[in-house]
Amino acid sequence: DADVTQTPRNRITKTGKRIMLECSQTKGHDRMYWYRQDPGLGLRLIYYSFDVKDINKGEISDGYSVSRQAQAKFSLSLESAIPNQTALYFCATEDGVVTGELFFGEGSRLTVL
Amino acid sequence: GEDVEQSLFLSVREGDSSVINCTYTDSSSTYLYWYKQEPGAGLQLLTYIFSNMDMKQDQRLTVLLNKKDKHLSLRIADTQTGDSAIYFCAEGTSGTYKYIFGTGTRLKVLA
Repeated sequence: DADVTQTPRNRITKTGKRIMLECSQTKGHDRMYWYRQDPGLGLRLIYYSFDVKDINKGEISDGYSVSRQAQAKFSLSLESAIPNQTALYFCATEDGVVTGELFFGEGSRLTVL
Repeated sequence: GEDVEQSLFLSVREGDSSVINCTYTDSSSTYLYWYKQEPGAGLQLLTYIFSNMDMKQDQRLTVLLNKKDKHLSLRIADTQTGDSAIYFCAEGTSGTYKYIFGTGTRLKVLA
């Protein structure tokens, strides 16, 4: 089983709908991140959390919210989806020590029509 | 602002060497990373280099860092079809949240 699991892997929705993307991890890491990947733009940080009580906005947080339900779970919500939120979303964890390696889930592809 | 730039595409023949280049802007970053993204998968760390090093070799991979020019490169020797993927350069400092990723270079290996 993957250490970082994202659900759903693919989702098609309509403009205005609420969408939740879920992430769970078995690595025991306190730090979790949500990134968005767009072609030609690389990865951009949406939100990050250093522990259950710590939630921080990234560079592109507008239109998104998150919830850290437990050390192992970090969810990303789109309250009212719009077409320019069509992208590939990645959850990642980090142990916060030494090299700063990020461990990524397999991604959630979201299409907003 | 902080930016990490890479060329978007690279095509090489199987058995040749591949060199993927990256320029970055934040000289305070502690580490520079190369991540590999295979189709349908998340990014996976390939290798990294500490910012006070010039070179790191790991089997077929060689990372060169030119701090003066803020230039990072990844050389893959004897490139194989399994090396076809998107390669992301990133800079960051462990203990902070700030990991800046490049746009990714899509490597295509021709048989």
